[in-house]
Amino acid sequence: QKEVEQDPGPLSVPEGAIVSLNCTYSNSAFQYFMWYRQYSRKGPELLMYTYSSGNKEDGRFTAQVDKSSKYISLFIRDSQPSDSATYLCAMSVTGNQFYFGTGTSLTVIP
Amino acid sequence: GAVVSQHPSRVICKSGTSVKIECRSLDFQATTMFWYRQFPKQSLMLMATSNEGSKATYEQGVEKDKFLINHASLTLSTLTVTSAHPEDSSFYICSAGEAGGNNEQFFGPGTRLTVL
Repeated sequence: QKEVEQDPGPLSVPEGAIVSLNCTYSNSAFQYFMWYRQYSRKGPELLMYTYSSGNKEDGRFTAQVDKSSKYISLFIRDSQPSDSATYLCAMSVTGNQFYFGTGTSLTVIP
Repeated sequence: GAVVSQHPSRVICKSGTSVKIECRSLDFQATTMFWYRQFPKQSLMLMATSNEGSKATYEQGVEKDKFLINHASLTLSTLTVTSAHPEDSSFYICSAGEAGGNNEQFFGPGTRLTVL
């Protein structure tokens, strides 16, 4: 079993839709959770960073961590075509070595 | 956020040659940097952890003699792919976190290696 599971998609939504991206994990010791956005042929860009459980909001993005269910989510409100990218979840026990999901490919259609 | 750069962004080489990739933290110091490899439409796979002033820690299955890592200073780590072969063609990405920071990892833009 992989440490981190993420549905690769692809996910296609109309502009303005709410997007929900999810990851599950098996290691209950994970306490650092991140979401990255990666455009084609570019390095990942940090979107959200959460320590332990709870919600975090930044503009149109909301990250949720449910440690009891070993489940994390990223919500994108009012999605834009520029949000079209691959979204990677990552998590860590110590905050040093991170384990990544396979990424979900998102396309927002104008 | 903090900025991490990589050089070169793209390299094409002949089989059997060695290629050096640099990873720099531009506006912060990083005692630890990480090297990843990413194949098309796949996630990042951690290759090794680069520690300033000491030997790198390699993940299982990664040949340390093939992928030489040197973390010479708090702002620079290098990955050298020795005797490269076509199967080494991939997207290599480094990341770094600020020493004493809150564990956020910032990624470089990646280096695309093509071995002919």
